[in-house]
Order: sequence, then C-alpha cells, then structure tokens
Amino acid sequence: NAGVTQTPKFQVLKTGQSMTLQCAQDMNHEYMSWYRQDPGMGLRLIHYSVGAGITDQGEVPNGYNVSRSTTEDFPLRLLSAAPSQTSVYFCASSRRRLAGVKEQFFGPGTRLTVL
Amino acid sequence: EDQVTQSPEALRLQEGESSSLNCSYTVSGLRGLFWYRQDPGKGPEFLFTLYSAGEEKEKERLKATLTKKESFLHITAPKPEDSATYLCAVQADGGYQKVTFGTGTKLQVIP
Repeated sequence: NAGVTQTPKFQVLKTGQSMTLQCAQDMNHEYMSWYRQDPGMGLRLIHYSVGAGITDQGEVPNGYNVSRSTTEDFPLRLLSAAPSQTSVYFCASSRRRLAGVKEQFFGPGTRLTVL
Repeated sequence: EDQVTQSPEALRLQEGESSSLNCSYTVSGLRGLFWYRQDPGKGPEFLFTLYSAGEEKEKERLKATLTKKESFLHITAPKPEDSATYLCAVQADGGYQKVTFGTGTKLQVIP
C-alpha cells in the first residue's frame, strides 16, 4: 500500500493564481481531511469528508474548496491564492470506527509559497 | 473551546537520558487522545490512542499515559533516531471534525 499520497511536494504561486493540491489514499478509508500547518500553531482543519459525495468545513475553510467524487481522492482547490495561504498542507485519512475515534494517516505534505 | 498545550516546546537529551513530554488538555467530553511523531519535512505518523484516564500504551522506548487533565509521553533510554517533533491531539464529543492538535515538542537526542 502506498498509504496517503500528495502532489505536488512543493509549489510557488503568485497572488491571485489558482491551483489544486492532489490527495489520494489506497486504504479504502471513509474519512479524509485537509490540514494546514503553520509555525507556532497546531495543525488546523480546513475541510473534511466522511465519504464520497459528502464534504464539510473545518476551522479555517475560507479561500479553499474541496470535492470528493471517489473514496480514494480528495483534492483541495485554492481559488485565488493569497500570501496568508503560504503554509504546509497535509492530507489525512482514517477508518470509520464504531467509537467514532479516528487515528489519522497523513500524507507527506505540500509546501506552498504564495508571493 | 477545546485546548491542547504541550511542554516543553523543545527538549535536548543525551542518548540514554530518560525524560517525559507533557500534553495538558481541556476538552468537552474526551473521545480519545492521540500521540503522533513528525520528522522534518514529513507528515505526522500515528503512535498511540488513549481513551480513558489510567490507560497506558507502550511501543519500543515510548510509553504514553493518560489522566483526566494531561497525558505524558515517557521516553526511556532515548536514541538519536528518536529525535523528532511529538504532537498531541484530542478528539472531543461532537463529531469527526472535533480534533484539536497541540503545537508539539521538538525532541533532540544527542549521541
């Protein structure tokens, strides 16, 4: 199993440009999430999905869109990049458990710089 | 609001020098507390889940414990390869999205 994969690994954008960060998992996990990690702050949830066709907002959703057409893929779209979106982005997946507690498996991250 | 505070921010140990990392939390209904390891330039790697006060889990040189207000990650006789940032997270009642991460403890083990 490849686990959770993310592309690209690095990206530089200019303010106002749009792009899509790709995320895929091969573990047949129901739950997928996008986080951003900034210095001095904990991982913050951007958007999440509890299954194909179902997405919802997390703590910091503004400026980002997601969709989930398949169990495997969960792309994150930046609509109009801003310098405040400079960060490291992680995609994570987890299996649905009866207790509702989820250990998450993270991808290697995408380091995004917006100039 | 759920909060997770980790201390110290950074810790430097000699190889073989045991120590503990702390994770203090306030949460409305704890579902689970997680420990992750993060190496530079990589994504967090899951280590443990603790569900209730008094629970302990071990993996190699690491042992995680949980009380009603905090969790400890004990590192026994650490090796240089244990150098990493250790993240604590809590999941609260209220659904899948209710996971709050701490800012981590950066551990450096010197040979």
